[in-house]
Amino acid sequence: AQTVTQSQPEMSVQEAETVTLSCTYDTSENNYYLFWYKQPPSRQMILVIRQEAYKQQNATENRFSVNFQKAAKSFSLKISDSQLGDTAMYFCAAQPGNQFYFGTGTSLTVIP
Amino acid sequence: DTGVSQDPRHKITKRGQNVTFRCDPISEHNRLYWYRQTLGQGPEFLTYFQNEAQLEKSRLLSDRFSAERPKGSFSTLEIQRTEQGDSAMYLCASSLSWTSGKYNEQFFGPGTRLTVL
Repeated sequence: AQTVTQSQPEMSVQEAETVTLSCTYDTSENNYYLFWYKQPPSRQMILVIRQEAYKQQNATENRFSVNFQKAAKSFSLKISDSQLGDTAMYFCAAQPGNQFYFGTGTSLTVIP
Repeated sequence: DTGVSQDPRHKITKRGQNVTFRCDPISEHNRLYWYRQTLGQGPEFLTYFQNEAQLEKSRLLSDRFSAERPKGSFSTLEIQRTEQGDSAMYLCASSLSWTSGKYNEQFFGPGTRLTVL
């Protein structure tokens, strides 16, 4: 079975600080993609960052970076220099084939 | 093109009624996905199309649910004999199909919020 687990339902961070969101997953596939999506209060999902499982190098996108530990099946998201606009639900997702599997999300609040 | 659009944005219906939602993907995208998201949960995959062909359906998709994409452009999701448990946000997403191993991002629509009374 394919599962994605986010163990932090809610987190908060001071503006300009760094925060790390955790995600673990389980898949029997060898090739897959991992994602972090952001869902602001308007509820339109936006892709934050993507990681190909066959790449050892951790993906980075500006202030967003991941720590991908394939053996541990761990895929955490680090947000540096947090901004008020980062306040949102964050979903971790895995795509082992054509289907996406999402975690239950982490609600992140950036405190001014 | 302004992205993926969904209509209606909100739908309130009585139990037992049928409802239909529409999704218009980004015009050049040949893949289209439907998801259901309940409060406090992540999106759950329901089904996906490549062009007009429905290639995968989740076991979550009961017989009361049917999706179509007749001309490979817009798609409709119909729920027959709605139940209170069908209350959720229904999300649509589209993407290009993978070519030569190159990944193509899914773009999500704003969703249709269904409330079954």
